[in-house]
Amino acid sequence: GAGVSQSPSNKVTEKGKDVELRCDPISGHTALYWYRQRLGQGLEFLIYFQGNSAPDKSGLPSDRFSAERTGESVSTLTIQRTQQEDSAVYLCASSLGQGATNEKLFFGSGTQLSVL
Amino acid sequence: KQEVTQIPAALSVPEGENLVLNCSFTDSAIYNLQWFRQDPGKGLTSLLLIQSSQREQTSGRLNASLDKSSGRSTLYIAASQPGDSATYLCAGPVSGGYNKLIFGAGTRLAVHP
Repeated sequence: GAGVSQSPSNKVTEKGKDVELRCDPISGHTALYWYRQRLGQGLEFLIYFQGNSAPDKSGLPSDRFSAERTGESVSTLTIQRTQQEDSAVYLCASSLGQGATNEKLFFGSGTQLSVL
Repeated sequence: KQEVTQIPAALSVPEGENLVLNCSFTDSAIYNLQWFRQDPGKGLTSLLLIQSSQREQTSGRLNASLDKSSGRSTLYIAASQPGDSATYLCAGPVSGGYNKLIFGAGTRLAVHP
């Protein structure tokens, strides 16, 4: 596609429910990243996928968070038993695959998650 | 632990002014850095990437420099326009991290006609 696509753009859920967020990266981009942005704060790294390598999950805040990626395509971020502190914008980014620090990242518009 | 500070947190200026946005890292061993722009309700757009072999990058009215010895970067915006209004974020590698970026909280810029 022309850019990174994320869905849904907005999600309101009740505390304790599970949510699934989707990211479609730019075609041909082997690297995919998930970040979280709380109101008024910078972005917080969650997880990184590179091709068929094992993902870097070091940023996931708890075992309620998990993510998957099928090959070099779609990724889903799942949050189980949501808590109010999970409310944030969840941003997905992709890049060609040389590493986040050496190449431009292309971001989606994000999913605004609100946990009531 | 690497931390990023952006100064000022917010800036409001009349159109036409030249602006300087600052970014600093607690761990000064920064070998590359990116500046992003974020518009309300949208994702981030990469503006400039200063790679390990570079000291600065220019794109149109934007110029970013990186002092690797001090871990400080400056984004210079010349002849600011209302369309420049957005939040500007800098990001650099986590200490020892190759694929993780640590972001500042951003500078919210408003340029008035």
